[in-house]
Amino acid sequence: NAGVTQTPKFQVLKTGQSMTLQCAQDMNHEYMSWYRQDPGMGLRLIHYSVGAGITDQGEVPNGYNVSRSTTEDFPLRLLSAAPSQTSVYFCASSYGLAGAGRKDTQYFGPGTRLTVL
Amino acid sequence: KQEVTQIPAALSVPEGENLVLNCSFTDSAIYNLQWFRQDPGKGLTSLLLIQSSQREQTSGRLNASLDKSSGRSTLYIAASQPGDSATYLCAVHGYSTLTFGKGTMLLVSP
Repeated sequence: NAGVTQTPKFQVLKTGQSMTLQCAQDMNHEYMSWYRQDPGMGLRLIHYSVGAGITDQGEVPNGYNVSRSTTEDFPLRLLSAAPSQTSVYFCASSYGLAGAGRKDTQYFGPGTRLTVL
Repeated sequence: KQEVTQIPAALSVPEGENLVLNCSFTDSAIYNLQWFRQDPGKGLTSLLLIQSSQREQTSGRLNASLDKSSGRSTLYIAASQPGDSATYLCAVHGYSTLTFGKGTMLLVSP
């Protein structure tokens, strides 16, 4: 298993540009999520999905869109990049989140480091 | 809203010491608590997951405990090694979301 993969590893954008961060998992996990990590702020949830076709907002969803057309993929779209979106983005997945026991274990991708100028 | 606090924010110890990292949370209605390790510039690696019905979990030199009623968890690291140097994060599992603490940065000196 490759686990959770993210592309690209690094990206530099100009203000106003759009892009998609890719996330894929090969563990047949239903639950997938996106976080951003900023110094002094910790990890904050952007969006999550409990299965194909189902998404919901997390703590900091503004400026980001997601969709989940397959179990394996969960892309994160930045519609019009802003300097405030400069961050490290992590994708995570698990079988479940609440009550599935050890299958609730969250697995993280290696991250995408995004800079918006 | 769930809030997770980790104390201390940073810790420096000599090799061989046993140490304890603390995590507290404000809402005891959790499903699980998970401890992670993060090396600089890397992603998060899961260390232990404790289900809400459990009191502790062990993996090698690591032991994590959970007191759900008091909103506390501890991560005990025995016989610390320089390779244990990293940031340790705890996260509580709610019904549909995970809430993270800001982490404890650990440095183990040879």
